Amino acid sequence: KAGVTQTPRYLIKTRGQQVTLSCSPISGHRSVSWYQQTPGQGLQFLFEYFSETQRNKGNFPGRFSGRQFSNSRSEMNVSTLELGDSALYLCASSDPAGGETQYFGPGTRLLVL
Amino acid sequence: GNSVTQMEGPVTLSEEAFLTINCTYTATGYPSLFWYVQYPGEGLQLLLKATKADDKGSNKGFEATYRKETTSFHLEKGSVQVSDSAVYFCALRFSQGGSEKLVFGKGTKLTVNP
Repeated sequence: KAGVTQTPRYLIKTRGQQVTLSCSPISGHRSVSWYQQTPGQGLQFLFEYFSETQRNKGNFPGRFSGRQFSNSRSEMNVSTLELGDSALYLCASSDPAGGETQYFGPGTRLLVL
Repeated sequence: GNSVTQMEGPVTLSEEAFLTINCTYTATGYPSLFWYVQYPGEGLQLLLKATKADDKGSNKGFEATYRKETTSFHLEKGSVQVSDSAVYFCALRFSQGGSEKLVFGKGTKLTVNP
C-alpha cells in the first residue's frame, strides 16, 4: 500500500497570505489528523477528520481550518499567515478497524516571510 | 490530564553502545503507548507500540515495555548504529469524547558517532 502523501513538500509565503496544504491518506483509512511541528512547541495537534466530519480540534486560532472529502483526502488552510506559522505540517491517517495507529506523511514545510 | 514526559536530549553515543531513552506518562484509563522516529527532513515513522500493560513492543532491534506500575515506556536498544541517528518521540493515545487522541513528548535527539 502507498503511504500517506502530502503536497506540496515545501512552501514559501509572505505574511498576510493564505495557504492550502493537501494530504492523501493510506488507502482505506478514513481518519486524517493534522499536526504542527516547531522547534519551540514540538508536535501540536491541529484537528482530526473522520468521514468528512471534524471529530477533534486542538487549541489553534480560527485562521487554521480543514476539511475532508468523500475519498478521505484532506486539506488544511491557514489564512492571514503570520511569521509564527512557519513550521512543518504533518498529516497522519488511521483506520479505526486497525486499532487507530496513526501513520504519518513526510510533511509540508511552510516558511512565512 | 494525559501527558508524556521524555528525557531531554540531545543524546550522543558511539556505535554499538547501549541506548535508553526514558519516557513516563500520566493518563486516566488504559492508554496505548508508541515510539515514533523522525529522520532528518522526514515525517514521523511508527517504530513500535504497546496497547496494554506488560506488552513489549519491538522493531529493528528497539524494545519498549509498557510498565503500568511505574507509568513508563522506556526505549532501549542493545547496540546502536550510525543510521539510528534521529529524533525519537514517545506518544500516548487515549479515548476522549468517543474518539482517539494522540499526545507526544517533546522528542529526544540521538546522534550516533562511528
